[in-house]
Amino acid sequence: KAGVTQTPRYLIKTRGQQVTLSCSPISGHRSVSWYQQTPGQGLQFLFEYFSETQRNKGNFPGRFSGRQFSNSRSEMNVSTLELGDSALYLCASSSDSSGGGYTFGSGTRLTVV
Amino acid sequence: ILNVEQSPQSLHVQEGDSTNFTCSFPSSNFYALHWYRWETAKSPEALFVMTLNGDEKKKGRISATLNTKEGYSYLYIKGSQPEDSATYLCAFRMGGYQKVTFGIGTKLQVIP
Repeated sequence: KAGVTQTPRYLIKTRGQQVTLSCSPISGHRSVSWYQQTPGQGLQFLFEYFSETQRNKGNFPGRFSGRQFSNSRSEMNVSTLELGDSALYLCASSSDSSGGGYTFGSGTRLTVV
Repeated sequence: ILNVEQSPQSLHVQEGDSTNFTCSFPSSNFYALHWYRWETAKSPEALFVMTLNGDEKKKGRISATLNTKEGYSYLYIKGSQPEDSATYLCAFRMGGYQKVTFGIGTKLQVIP
């Protein structure tokens, strides 16, 4: 059974650019959540999608957006990148509509220079 | 703002010692409490999902208890081994399809 796949694994972008990260959940999982992790901070919640609908949104600026497709794959987009957006972005999927235990991807390490 | 607090933030124990960590969460509108283990250079791995007050879960040498009325959960590791070295995260979900909020984690180092 394939795990949660995140692409790309590493990314270097310049301030002001935009970036799109992709997450393919475990087959059959309809819930996908995104988290940001920076040094000294816990996992900060970005979004949760379930069946193509954004069910929850974290306290991030509007530059952060996401979507989910009919095959449950999800993308998140960050526009007008800032240095502070440098972080590990983790995607997690769950089979339970009410959010059972997560299976995490390996993450995308974004560096903004 | 929903606070999930974990203590201690870091811990060094000798191989063979038993240890425990605490996760505190709001006691109202409880839905689920998760525990994860996050080893360096790997993804967080689910250990337990706990939903009922008084729940106790066990996986090998690791066990967890849950008290939803007072808002805390304990994670216990019996006879720590070097391979137990990791950051242990707890995550809390309120009812009504609310987001899952993570604590900052307890970083455990087991010294051989």
